[in-house]
Amino acid sequence: EAGVTQFPSHSVIEKGQTVTLRCDPISGHDNLYWYRRVMGKEIKFLLHFVKESKQDESGMPNNRFLAERTGGTYSTLKVQPAELEDSGVYFCASSIRTGGSTGELFFGEGSRLTVL
Amino acid sequence: GNSVTQMEGPVTLSEEAFLTINCTYTATGYPSLFWYVQYPGEGLQLLLKATKADDKGSNKGFEATYRKETTSFHLEKGSVQVSDSAVYFCALLPLGTSYGKLTFGQGTILTVHP
Repeated sequence: EAGVTQFPSHSVIEKGQTVTLRCDPISGHDNLYWYRRVMGKEIKFLLHFVKESKQDESGMPNNRFLAERTGGTYSTLKVQPAELEDSGVYFCASSIRTGGSTGELFFGEGSRLTVL
Repeated sequence: GNSVTQMEGPVTLSEEAFLTINCTYTATGYPSLFWYVQYPGEGLQLLLKATKADDKGSNKGFEATYRKETTSFHLEKGSVQVSDSAVYFCALLPLGTSYGKLTFGQGTILTVHP
């Protein structure tokens, strides 16, 4: 069974440009999450989808970030325009359980974003 | 708010040494507690967990005990191997949370030398 896959693994862009990160969750996992780790600090929650619906986007930093999950399968996270402080590692995770959480999430390797 | 504090790294040990990585938390009530590990080139994966006070989580020779008196969940292993080299993250899930909104610590890099 394939795990959570993320693309690209590393992206280097100039300030003001746009970047789109993609996440393919484990097949059959309705829950999809985005997290971010900035500069070796703690990993922080960004948002949570159940199928195609955003359930909690309280961690999104600002309106330069847009997450979508069309059709309830893969998800994209777009940053437009990118700023220096957006640099970090963006993790996607998925889980199957919807009626409660065991806290076990399956994470991808992360997409490293460098904004110059 | 909720928070998790881990000991500063990096931690460098020789093979077969004893490992402790400290983790303390701040949360309302009694959260569930987790250790996640990220091996080089891989995603984070759940190492162990504990859901109530005095529970001990264990896996792959690692152990951690949920101590509500000290609000701690320290990770221990009696004899580390080179293959344990990774980044370790302590995390909590607030009581009653219905989805995986975890609060993580900053991570501790462990390097084990032969």
